[in-house]
Amino acid sequence: DTAVSQTPKYLVTQMGNDKSIKCEQNLGHDTMYWYKQDSKKFLKIMFSYNNKELIINETVPNRFSPKSPDKAHLNLHINSLELGDSAVYFCASSQFEVGYTFGSGTRLTVV
Amino acid sequence: AQSVTQLDSQVPVFEEAPVELRCNYSSSVSVYLFWYVQYPNQGLQLLLKYLSGSTLVKGINGFEAEFNKSQTSFHLRKPSVHISDTAEYFCAVNTGNTPLVFGKGTRLSVIA
Repeated sequence: DTAVSQTPKYLVTQMGNDKSIKCEQNLGHDTMYWYKQDSKKFLKIMFSYNNKELIINETVPNRFSPKSPDKAHLNLHINSLELGDSAVYFCASSQFEVGYTFGSGTRLTVV
Repeated sequence: AQSVTQLDSQVPVFEEAPVELRCNYSSSVSVYLFWYVQYPNQGLQLLLKYLSGSTLVKGINGFEAEFNKSQTSFHLRKPSVHISDTAEYFCAVNTGNTPLVFGKGTRLSVIA
């Protein structure tokens, strides 16, 4: 039973399209996150939600919009995709922000 | 704000040799420290963490790390590596109310 699951695992799409990535955790954690891993493997926080409330919104283009329908789900919607959005996106969850559990990632390729 | 420096981007090592992956951090407050491993095309798996107490922390797969407050370091060690340890290793830090901040990663390549 996967603790943090993301779908889809791979996503190939054309520039200008809109796409969503879904994340669900069954750990009962209060906080969920989206991280972006670039081509050089660098991991950077994008958003953080605590009990469905946005608490961190790093410098991310407003084409990226997170949505948390409940504390077990955090989705990421991306509008007007650009080539530079190609990356691996990781969802994670934590309790008291100590020790995160990561999903297996979504590899987004924009062509 | 916290930051993490992983001093080596790549570390090649022969199988059954010991290895040390270096990590230094910067913070004006007390921190929690973590090492994660990422195998090719997979997510991040927690190897070990330091929250408080003993400065020597043991993790999974035979890894251990030592927290050194005076040197602001949290180096990862394994006495004898296997081919299966080939992966990307990330050091990370947070304070408990800030998000996890990662270093740029160290690619460990184990050579047969």
